[in-house]
Amino acid sequence: DAGVIQSPRHEVTEMGQEVTLRCKPISGHDYLFWYRQTMMRGLELLIYFNNNVPIDDSGMPEDRFSAKMPNASFSTLKIQPSEPRDSAVYFCASRSGTGWFYAGNTIYFGEGSWLTVV
Amino acid sequence: QKEVEQNSGPLSVPEGAIASLNCTYSDRGSQSFFWYRQYSGKSPELIMFIYSNGDKEDGRFTAQLNKASQYVSLLIRDSQPSDSATYLCAVNTGGRDDKIIFGKGTRLHILP
Repeated sequence: DAGVIQSPRHEVTEMGQEVTLRCKPISGHDYLFWYRQTMMRGLELLIYFNNNVPIDDSGMPEDRFSAKMPNASFSTLKIQPSEPRDSAVYFCASRSGTGWFYAGNTIYFGEGSWLTVV
Repeated sequence: QKEVEQNSGPLSVPEGAIASLNCTYSDRGSQSFFWYRQYSGKSPELIMFIYSNGDKEDGRFTAQLNKASQYVSLLIRDSQPSDSATYLCAVNTGGRDDKIIFGKGTRLHILP
């Protein structure tokens, strides 16, 4: 089975440019999460969706960041305009079901999108 | 602000010894606790999951949970060089919340 698929894997862009990161969750998964990882701040939850609806976007750093999930198989994270401090690895993850009490409901991560803003 | 705290390390352990990794969390309502392993340049992968007080063993790994002390630990027995990685502690944020938050991770280095 295909895992969580992210694109692009690597992106280098100039400050001020728009960046769009893409994610295809595992088929049948109800939840989709966007995380950002840096050395300083670790792995931070930015936003998560349940059945394509944004549930909690309290981790989105500022208005320059936006995320959408138009259907069950696709999500985007957009940064406009990008800044050097946005340089990080952005992970998309998905899981199925409700409740955390079963190992089958674990989060599965994509391989990440490595973003460098110069 | 709900938090998960870990010692960043690096923690250096001789091959064959026991590695002990620790984590504390702030949300008393948290119900599920996870340990992820992350190799350099890779994504996190789940290695242990626990939700009851006490110990849970899986092969060379043992997770320990003490909800009264808000403390989670991971023991790795017979440490191997392939265990060298960053270990991330994660917890759900309690109640009916469906998200999990992560600590910054502990870097583990197994000395051959």
